[in-house]
Amino acid sequence: AQSVTQPDIHITVSEGASLELRCNYSYGATPYLFWYVQSPGQGLQLLLKYFSGDTLVQGIKGFEAEFKRSQSSFNLRKPSVHWSDAAEYFCAVGAPGGSYIPTFGRGTSLIVHP
Amino acid sequence: EAGVAQSPRYKIIEKRQSVAFWCNPISGHATLYWYQQILGQGPKLLIQFQNNGVVDDSQLPKDRFSAERLKGVDSTLKIQPAKLEDSAVYLCASSSTRQGKNTEAFFGQGTRLTVV
Repeated sequence: AQSVTQPDIHITVSEGASLELRCNYSYGATPYLFWYVQSPGQGLQLLLKYFSGDTLVQGIKGFEAEFKRSQSSFNLRKPSVHWSDAAEYFCAVGAPGGSYIPTFGRGTSLIVHP
Repeated sequence: EAGVAQSPRYKIIEKRQSVAFWCNPISGHATLYWYQQILGQGPKLLIQFQNNGVVDDSQLPKDRFSAERLKGVDSTLKIQPAKLEDSAVYLCASSSTRQGKNTEAFFGQGTRLTVV
């Protein structure tokens, strides 16, 4: 069965600083990988996805993520954080196939200091 | 393109009462998911539909939860009777297929259920 680990419950950064959120997955082959963001009281918005090909994936809002097969990781990065980036971030994994089921990590709460 | 629509946004009920949530997926999306998100946790899949058939409901507490997707479009999720531990946000998501495989899931804003 697939699973996702987000080791950091909270991350605090200063506005303008760089950001890296960690995500490790467990799956026997190359999965589909996703990062979603959730603002308070809102649903989940897709930031970026990896299905195949280039392991460095660009997403919306200036985010990027890198798939590293050897480390079973898909860390999310942003070079300069804005106060509006404060939210909950979820990494998800899905098994490629006709009916994959996205499995989510527990989330990382990003706090941005002015 | 309209997103996934859910209603109601908020619901407060007493334990042992029943409640129903409605979801209208993105037009043309064959796959529909219901997730439960308890405060401080990631979403947990309850049930997945492909058109009007159930693909996976292994984590659905079938003694109290039920879901249907008549005609392969809208879906309803029902809880009867509700328990305190059912307090959560219920998220509906949908996805399309590309070359026979599901693509990314798009989520609605969710229904926040409080059981008192």
